[in-house]
Amino acid sequence: KAGVTQTPRYLIKTRGQQVTLSCSPISGHRSVSWYQQTPGQGLQFLFEYFSETQRNKGNFPGRFSGRQFSNSRSEMNVSTLELGDSALYLCASSRDRDRGREAFFGQGTRLTVV
Amino acid sequence: AQSVSQHNHHVILSEAASLELGCNYSYGGTVNLFWYVQYPGQHLQLLLKYFSGDPLVKGIKGFEAEFIKSKFSFNLRKPSVQWSDTAEYFCAVNGIGTYKYIFGTGTRLKVLA
Repeated sequence: KAGVTQTPRYLIKTRGQQVTLSCSPISGHRSVSWYQQTPGQGLQFLFEYFSETQRNKGNFPGRFSGRQFSNSRSEMNVSTLELGDSALYLCASSRDRDRGREAFFGQGTRLTVV
Repeated sequence: AQSVSQHNHHVILSEAASLELGCNYSYGGTVNLFWYVQYPGQHLQLLLKYFSGDPLVKGIKGFEAEFIKSKFSFNLRKPSVQWSDTAEYFCAVNGIGTYKYIFGTGTRLKVLA
């Protein structure tokens, strides 16, 4: 069973540009959530999607947006990149029927903003 | 406010030593509790989880954790660590009906062979 797949694995962008990251969840999983991981702030929640609807949003500026498609694949977009957006962006998927609500994480996309 | 505190940021142990990593949380309502591990260069993996029942839960690789509701704690333990346990460990909580995890800042464990 394939795990959560995130593409690309690495990205280098310039300040002011925008970027789109992609996440393919485990087959059968309908919930996708995104996290930003940095050495200083740790793992911080960005958004949560289920059936193409955003169910929850973290405390990030409006430059961070996301969406989910009918096949449960998800994308997140960051516009007008800032140096502080450099981070590892993690996607997690869940079946949404498990009592334990366990999330399975991808390997992440490492974004560097220069 | 919702938060998770991990008391130890860096821990260094010798092989065969016992491990206990502290985790306390602040969250209104019923919670699910998790410990995730991130080995060098790898993705986050679930070690164990608690959502109800026996407060002592056992996970993979000999890890266990005890949920003490009165203390809002979910400490991770392992009686005898191995060099291969070198990793970063994250405690996390979420509420019923959401996949919004609140993570602790992580504990970097280094086990000396």
